[in-house]
Amino acid sequence: QKEVEQNSGPLSVPEGAIASLNCTYSDRGSQSFFWYRQYSGKSPELIMFIYSNGDKEDGRFTAQLNKASQYVSLLIRDSQPSDSATYLCAVNIAGSARQLTFGSGTQLTVLP
Amino acid sequence: NAGVTQTPKFQVLKTGQSMTLQCAQDMNHNSMYWYRQDPGMGLRLIYYSASEGTTDKGEVPNGYNVSRLNKREFSLRLESAAPSQTSVYFCASSETGVHQPQHFGDGTRLSIL
Repeated sequence: QKEVEQNSGPLSVPEGAIASLNCTYSDRGSQSFFWYRQYSGKSPELIMFIYSNGDKEDGRFTAQLNKASQYVSLLIRDSQPSDSATYLCAVNIAGSARQLTFGSGTQLTVLP
Repeated sequence: NAGVTQTPKFQVLKTGQSMTLQCAQDMNHNSMYWYRQDPGMGLRLIYYSASEGTTDKGEVPNGYNVSRLNKREFSLRLESAAPSQTSVYFCASSETGVHQPQHFGDGTRLSIL
């Protein structure tokens, strides 16, 4: 059983729309949640991290965390074609300050 | 600021050959990691080093060895390469602490024939 689940997509949204990416996790003890963006052929790049319930906003990006329901989401407002990439959700392993478990990623395409 | 530097960027090996992937970080991070990324499977942890002088197995350690040479450098060795080890390998580093994000190098694309 995979510990971090993401819809693999592909998810397509028109330019200017809100893209919503979701991630569920199985370990109730997890404390830190990260969103990475990965362009094709490139390395993962950190976009957001969150560790408290609620919303965290950074520019066009909003991360939402609900520990009771064990899900974390990423909203991208005013989506741009340059946002087209694979988005990886990563969750820390409870009891380990360092190990992360990654989801398989959601491929997002923003259509001009 | 270079961040995390991996060498080589590309490599082709024959089955049974050995090689070492190099990783160095200049962010003064204590923790370093090696991942592999295969299509549809996300990133899987091979080994990590919480601090200089320590290493621990991750999810998929079989067929690999690591060395934390000093605080900056963390190498991954394939002793006898197998086609199943064809993958993209990423090195990452982070500060110590549960809320610290990991920062990735550009990756090594390894093909084993």
